[in-house]
Amino acid sequence: DTAVSQTPKYLVTQMGNDKSIKCEQNLGHDTMYWYKQDSKKFLKIMFSYNNKELIINETVPNRFSPKSPDKAHLNLHINSLELGDSAVYFCASSQLGGYTFGSGTRLTVV
Amino acid sequence: EDQVTQSPEALRLQEGESSSLNCSYTVSGLRGLFWYRQDPGKGPEFLFTLYSAGEEKEKERLKATLTKKESFLHITAPKPEDSATYLCAVQDSGNTPLVFGKGTRLSVIA
Repeated sequence: DTAVSQTPKYLVTQMGNDKSIKCEQNLGHDTMYWYKQDSKKFLKIMFSYNNKELIINETVPNRFSPKSPDKAHLNLHINSLELGDSAVYFCASSQLGGYTFGSGTRLTVV
Repeated sequence: EDQVTQSPEALRLQEGESSSLNCSYTVSGLRGLFWYRQDPGKGPEFLFTLYSAGEEKEKERLKATLTKKESFLHITAPKPEDSATYLCAVQDSGNTPLVFGKGTRLSVIA
């Protein structure tokens, strides 16, 4: 059983398209996150949700919109994709400080 | 603003050659310092959490230590399977999301 699962694992798309990445956790954690890892492997927080409510929204273009239909799911929708959006996106969940990460979605914008 | 600096950026060791990775941090009240291991194409995998200066934790060939300004990850007699990127992260007392360093890429040569 995968604790934090993301789909798809790979996503190749053209500039200007709209795409979504899905994340599900079966750990019963209250808080979920989206992190972006750039080409230099630097992991940076994008969003944080607690019990379906947005807690933190770092300086991220409003083309990125997270949605949490329930406590176990946090999806990321990206509008009008740009070349600079190419990166690996990681979903994570936490409870009492312990973080569990998904295996990532490699997004390539061409 | 919380900051994490890891050094060296990359480290190449012969099998059995012990060494240490450094993580310097600046945080307004430390809630926890975390070490993760990341293999290519995978998400970060939890190793340790340290909460207060003087604390030490061990797991197989790895030992993590913490002072008020930095943490060390000591690797004793490493093996090729220890090759990975090691990430350090901090969480402040405000319970904000983990802030990561840029990682140390470790290569252990047989």
